[in-house]
Order: sequence, then structure tokens, then C-alpha cells
Amino acid sequence: RKEVEQDPGPFNVPEGATVAFNCTYSNSASQSFFWYRQDCRKEPKLLMSVYSSGNEDGRFTAQLNRASQYISLLIRDSKLSDSATYLCVVNGYSSASKIIFGSGTRLSIRP
Amino acid sequence: DTGVSQDPRHKITKRGQNVTFRCDPISEHNRLYWYRQTLGQGPEFLTYFQNEAQLEKSRLLSDRFSAERPKGSFSTLEIQRTEQGDSAMYLCASRPLEEWSEQFFGPGTRLTVL
Repeated sequence: RKEVEQDPGPFNVPEGATVAFNCTYSNSASQSFFWYRQDCRKEPKLLMSVYSSGNEDGRFTAQLNRASQYISLLIRDSKLSDSATYLCVVNGYSSASKIIFGSGTRLSIRP
Repeated sequence: DTGVSQDPRHKITKRGQNVTFRCDPISEHNRLYWYRQTLGQGPEFLTYFQNEAQLEKSRLLSDRFSAERPKGSFSTLEIQRTEQGDSAMYLCASRPLEEWSEQFFGPGTRLTVL
């Protein structure tokens, strides 16, 4: 079993739609979680951190469910510019631990 | 530019040759990571340094791979006797020592082994 698993997609949704991605992780001792965005042939960039209480940044909402060991990302009112690959990232039991990426979920927003 | 830089950006080599990549992290970042990414996959962890100490290595890192960070600043990743399966994007990221801080990635080195 992979340490971090994501639905690879692709998700193809119309502009303005709401879309949600889930990601599961295997190490119950994991302490911190992130969503990164990666555009085609570019390096990953931080989209948002994921906090235990859930957090929101504009149209983006991230949730963490420790009991079920998954995190989610919700994008509301999607824009064409949201088309990208979204990477789920899990840090281990301490911030000195390695950081593991999921394989990414591809999102394509159509006009 | 004060971000993470990597050199070269592209490398084409013949099977069996050795290659070396360089990463210059953000200057105040103590932590440095190397990843490998192939098409359609997320970055796969290779190794991690805190200052000059290599704290963790992936099982993916065969004996042909070696990484160094001799003075705790820039890092090099060497691949000996390259194989076609080594073709990938090699990403470097750095991170400050603060707890749970984000990683900042360089633009990557794209390796093609013919």
C-alpha cells in the first residue's frame, strides 16, 4: 500500500462547478499535511496547509480527518486557472521526517 | 532571484555515463530534499539533509545514487552508470527549520538517458 494515495483523475468539470478531492495516508503518526499545486512541466507550489480544525482560503477549503486518515480539498466556483495537478503531501511523525507526496489528482476546468 | 535554483535544467546523456546535478537552496533554509518525478506521478522522495547531515534515504536510492551537502549549503546528486529508467525530473526543495514549514521547490533538472 502506498503511504499517500490519491484518485489520479482526471476530473473534468465546467467553470463555476464545485469539485472535491480526497487523499488517504497510511502512517497514523503523521503530523502535518499540505496541498500543493503543480502546473504542467513546472515545480510544485504550496496551495495551503491543512489544519486539524479545517481551514479555508478563499474558494479553497481543506479538511483533515485523523480517525479515518484522510484529507480533502474542496474548490468552489472553479476557474479555468484552477486547471492543474493537485498533490496531497504528508509529513511524518516529526517535522524532521521525510515528506511524502501523493501521485496527484489532475483537474481540468472547461469553459 | 532568492529562490531555489538547480543546475543544469536539462541533461541528456548516454546510458552508462555519470551525471551530477546541483541544487542551491534558499540561503537560510537548513533542510534540503531531493525528489524524482516521472510523468503522471507525484514527486518520489529520494533523500533529505538537515544542514550537512543526510538524515534519511529512500530505498529508491540505489547504490548508483549518491547525494552530498558538504557545507550545509548547496547539494549535489550524482547518478553513476545511468540507466534509461533514470530518465525523470529531479527536484530539489528546501525548507527552514521552523516546525511544519512549507517546502520551496526549484525548477528541477530534467534527465534523459538515451
